[in-house]
Amino acid sequence: AQKVTQAQTEISVVEKEDVTLDCVYETRDTTYYLFWYKQPPSGELVFLIRRNSFDEQNEISGRYSWNFQKSTSSFNFTITASQVVDSAVYFCALSDNFNKFYFGSGTKLNVKP
Amino acid sequence: ETGVTQSPTHLIKTRGQQVTLRCSSQSGHNTVSWYQQALGQGPQFIFQYYREEENGRGNFPPRFSGLQFPNYSSELNVNALELDDSALYLCASSSPGQGGYEQYFGPGTRLTVT
Repeated sequence: AQKVTQAQTEISVVEKEDVTLDCVYETRDTTYYLFWYKQPPSGELVFLIRRNSFDEQNEISGRYSWNFQKSTSSFNFTITASQVVDSAVYFCALSDNFNKFYFGSGTKLNVKP
Repeated sequence: ETGVTQSPTHLIKTRGQQVTLRCSSQSGHNTVSWYQQALGQGPQFIFQYYREEENGRGNFPPRFSGLQFPNYSSELNVNALELDDSALYLCASSSPGQGGYEQYFGPGTRLTVT
């Protein structure tokens, strides 16, 4: 069975601090895909990144970076120099080869000025 | 390029009633998935439609049903509404075929059952 765990329910930081959101997944599939989505208060899920199970290369996009480690089944997300606009709920998701998504319970990030 | 749209935005129904939610997929996408997101939770997969056929279902009872039309738009129907059905219902569309394509989500329909 597929499962995604986001143990951090809520995190509060002060603007310009770095913050890491944790994601641990479970799957028996050898081919799978991992995603991060952002859900601002408006409710619409916004795609941030996709990683397939064969690509463990870390990725950096501006202030965002992702660390994928198959050995620990983790796909963590770091925001560097956080800003108030980063405040949102962040979801990690696992997709099987049939494009069905399994979401974690989300981490609410509060960035205070 | 038109994104995923959903209607209505908000809906209030009474327990026992039936409801239909609608979704228009993004241009070029023929796969539509529906999710239920309870307050404070992550989205839960309800089912997926690919080329008008159901292509997988989550752990939801048969009173949750769906349709996909030739233009790839979709409907989610819920019969015999229960209080626990109150949630944000999200529709997502994706590119055809293979796994791993990011799903593009609509703004959701907020359903309240009283």
